Amino acid sequence: QSALTQPRSVSGSPGQSVTISCTGTSSAVGGYNYVSWYQQHPGKAPKLMIYEVTKRPSGVPDRFSGSKSGNTASLTVSGLLPDDEADYYCISFVPINNLVFGGGTKLTVL
Amino acid sequence: EVQLVESGGGLVQPGRSLRLSCTASGFIFDDFAMHWVRQGPGKGLEWVSGLSWNSVNIGHADSVRGRFTISRDNAKNSLYLQMNSLRPDDTALYFCAKDSGDHSTGAFDLWGRGTLVTV
Repeated sequence: QSALTQPRSVSGSPGQSVTISCTGTSSAVGGYNYVSWYQQHPGKAPKLMIYEVTKRPSGVPDRFSGSKSGNTASLTVSGLLPDDEADYYCISFVPINNLVFGGGTKLTVL
Repeated sequence: EVQLVESGGGLVQPGRSLRLSCTASGFIFDDFAMHWVRQGPGKGLEWVSGLSWNSVNIGHADSVRGRFTISRDNAKNSLYLQMNSLRPDDTALYFCAKDSGDHSTGAFDLWGRGTLVTV
């Protein structure tokens, strides 16, 4: 179970868009549509932002969107706000009955 | 109130055991898969273990397989993590998390506040 690969950091100015990638393998990410994304502010529990690659839980702004191409999933945050500054993690189902997180990406709003 | 409350963390010597508990309330516990996720000091999230609503499908991370055992008691709305042969690198905040499905999907829509384990 190798961790999924995410960039260590990304940044953008308020109002801009940023995309965070999450690269796995044909088994993890590529093989199933069970990819989720989490936002974590310091000292807080993670919050589910995207599940099953593209779906948004109730209450998550539509500025957050997910996609997947091959073995890479992506989270795009549009119209950046200061409160979007946080750590973001992807997670994927891996056969059999396992899950694996990405290493995490720190999003800085300049 | 819909919530998960972890307990059982603490300071333990290497090689010893600890049992974590998670008590659920406010939702139908036995409809959902449940998981343990940990976060070491200054580190990222690591999925530890998970099991389906009926405990038939169980998974563990390579780092804990053979040492940790996850279980649940649906009658008590409780999730457990038995941790044996603890190592210093098991030091972390351990979160209990509810899956949105009855089997593992990775969509954790409810988290506890965590319980700290220091080895």
